[in-house]
Amino acid sequence: SQTIHQWPATLVQPVGSPLSLECTVEGTSNPNLYWYRQAAGRGLQLLFYSVGIGQISSEVPQNLSASRPQDRQFILSSKKLLLSDSGFYLCAWSVFVGLRGGGVSGANVLTFGAGSRLTVL
Amino acid sequence: AQSVTQLGSHVSVSEGALVLLRCNYSSSVPPYLFWYVQYPNQGLQLLLKYTSAATLVKGINGFEAEFKKSETSFHLTKPSAHMSDAAEYFCAVSARNTGNQFYFGTGTSLTVIP
Repeated sequence: SQTIHQWPATLVQPVGSPLSLECTVEGTSNPNLYWYRQAAGRGLQLLFYSVGIGQISSEVPQNLSASRPQDRQFILSSKKLLLSDSGFYLCAWSVFVGLRGGGVSGANVLTFGAGSRLTVL
Repeated sequence: AQSVTQLGSHVSVSEGALVLLRCNYSSSVPPYLFWYVQYPNQGLQLLLKYTSAATLVKGINGFEAEFKKSETSFHLTKPSAHMSDAAEYFCAVSARNTGNQFYFGTGTSLTVIP
C-alpha cells in the first residue's frame, strides 16, 4: 500500500533562517507531488506541484522553492524565512490513471501527509 | 481555470440533526469534485469523490454529496450529525482532462452541539 511521510512535524524558526521540509512517498511510482500551505482561516493554497523529477510548477510567487531530486521525494525550501511563512504545510501525492486508448478513468485522488507546523518568530 | 466556493466558514448543528455543507464550483468543463475532512493538526482525508459516474456519491462516515450540473453545486450532507463529525471540511476540484492540479475551497468548520 502507498504511504506518505512528511517531516519534521513541527518546526520553530527565527526570521531570516533557512527552511527545509521533506516529503517522501512509498508504494507507488511516478506520482504527482504537491506542496500546500494552510494559513489560519485561509484554506489550502497550492504552492508547488511536480509531475516528474526536476519538473516543478509554481502556483504562487513567494519566498519558497521546491525541488524533486528523486521520483518519490519532494522538498520545500527557503533561504530566508519571513514571518508570513508561518503555517501548516501539507505534502500530497496523486497518480493519474488514464484509460487505454486515451480518456480519463477518474481514478486520480489527492492523498495527504500528516503536515508540518512551521512557526516563524 | 477551476475554483470552488464554500458558503459558510462556520456551521453549527445539534447532535442528530442534518448536516449540510455547501460547495459551488466554477469550471469550463465538468470537473472532478472531492470532499475532504481535516481533524485538528492532521492532514486531510478523502470523504468522497465525484468522477462522472452516479451523481449521488456516498462516502465514508455516512456522508454523501450530490453533483448538480445545473446549479454547479456539490453539497455535502449527512442525515444525522455525530459529535465525532466536528472537523474542518474542504471541497476541492480538479480538471477532467489532466487531473494534475487540485484547487480547494476555504473550508467550513463544523461544530456539533450536544
